[in-house]
Amino acid sequence: EVQLVESGGGLVQPGGSLRLSCAASGFTLSSYDMHWVRQATGKGLEWVSVIGTAGDTHYSGSVKGRFTISRENAKNSLYLQMNTLRAEDTAVYSCARGNWGLHAFDIWGQGTMVTVSS
Amino acid sequence: IQLTQSPSFLSASVGDRVTITCRASQGISSYLAWYQQKPGKAPNLLIYTASTLQSGVPSRFSGGESGTEFTLTISSLQPEDFATYYCQQLNTYALTFGGGTKVEIK
Repeated sequence: EVQLVESGGGLVQPGGSLRLSCAASGFTLSSYDMHWVRQATGKGLEWVSVIGTAGDTHYSGSVKGRFTISRENAKNSLYLQMNTLRAEDTAVYSCARGNWGLHAFDIWGQGTMVTVSS
Repeated sequence: IQLTQSPSFLSASVGDRVTITCRASQGISSYLAWYQQKPGKAPNLLIYTASTLQSGVPSRFSGGESGTEFTLTISSLQPEDFATYYCQQLNTYALTFGGGTKVEIK
C-alpha cells in the first residue's frame, strides 16, 4: 500500500528546534518531488517546502532560513528540520507526494502536530 | 501567486448544483488542482490541470477555467460531499493554496 506516515511532532518552546520525519512505503520517495504542508487549527492549507528528485529545494517565505528539508534514500524517508520556532509555526505538518505527471499532490500523510508555546 | 477562492462558506441542499471559484493573481498555465478535505482527514485530490478528473472521483465533480479564473462544480451535491474544498497552483514556487470553501448542509 502506498502511504506516508509522519512523526516527530510535539510541544516546543519559542526559539526551539524540532525535526519531523515522514516515512514512505509502497513507492520510492526519491523518484518524486516531496512536499511539506501545514495547517493551523481551523485554518487553511499552507505549503511549506519541497525537495525535488535532483535534490533541489524551495521554501515558503515564512520559513525560509529557519527550516531545512532533506531526505534519506536508504530509509525512504523525508525530514523537516525546524529551527528558531515561533508561535505562528503551530500547526499540523503533513508530507505529500508531488506527482508531476498530474501536476498535483496525489498522496498525503495524516500529519503530526507541532505546538510552539512557553 | 495569490489564489482568491470564493465563496469561503456555502450552504446548500442535497441535489443542488454548486460552483466554487478560484482566481489567480497571474497566469498559471492550467496548473491548478482541487482538493476535498473532511474534518480530521488528509486532503483528497479531485481535479488536476484545471479540468482532469482524478481516478476514482465521481463524475459529478468537474473543473473549468477561463484565463486566470478556475471553477469547481458539483453537479448534484451528495451527503458525502459536505466538506472543505481548496484550490492549489503548481505553476510557480512558492506553491499556494486558496483560502478554502466550506460546504455545509442547508
